[in-house]
Amino acid sequence: QSALTQPPSASGSPGQSVTISCTGTSSDVGAYNYVSWYQQHPGKAPKLMIYEVSKWPSGVPDRFSGSKSGNTASLTVSGLQTEDEADYYCSSYAGSNTVVFGGGTKLTVL
Amino acid sequence: QVQLVQSGAEVKKPGSSVKVSCKASGGTFTSYAVSWVRQAPGQGLEWMGGIIPLFGAANYAQKFQGTVTIIADESTSTVYMELSGLRSEDTAVYYCARRSGTYGDSFYYGLDVWGQGTTVTVSS
Repeated sequence: QSALTQPPSASGSPGQSVTISCTGTSSDVGAYNYVSWYQQHPGKAPKLMIYEVSKWPSGVPDRFSGSKSGNTASLTVSGLQTEDEADYYCSSYAGSNTVVFGGGTKLTVL
Repeated sequence: QVQLVQSGAEVKKPGSSVKVSCKASGGTFTSYAVSWVRQAPGQGLEWMGGIIPLFGAANYAQKFQGTVTIIADESTSTVYMELSGLRSEDTAVYYCARRSGTYGDSFYYGLDVWGQGTTVTVSS
């Protein structure tokens, strides 16, 4: 059970799009369509942004979208806004009622 | 609305144990999967383990097998996480979390209800 691999940082200008990757293995990301994404602002609890690879919880804007190919999932943030600057984490169901998180990506809006 | 309320901050000596509670209110308890997630200062999220009170048995991340115990008390709608053999590296904010609504009975669909976090500091 190793952590999923995310780039440590990503950036974009307001209005642009940015994509964050999340690479796992055939035992987690590749095995299940149960990838979730979280947004975390400093000092706050994480907020669920995407579940089941590409579904939105109530209240999450559709500027956030998710996808998956093989062992790699991706989160795309379109029309970047200053309030999107935060840390983003992916997670995946890993079988036997366990979950694994990614290491996190710091998104900077330039 | 479902809320999770955790116990207060703890300061512990190396080698000791800590037990953090997570009380659920505003919804059913037994059929919901509750996870424990920790975050060391400046570090990422780490899933430690979880429990579905209805089934009783907890499941743990490999890293925490043997050092973490998660139990549920249905009579008080409270889930407990006990971490033993504390080291300085266990200094972190510990969160309990679950999924609301019809997605809440498994670990598949992410976590959208979070406790306020409990800071555990391990220091001699």
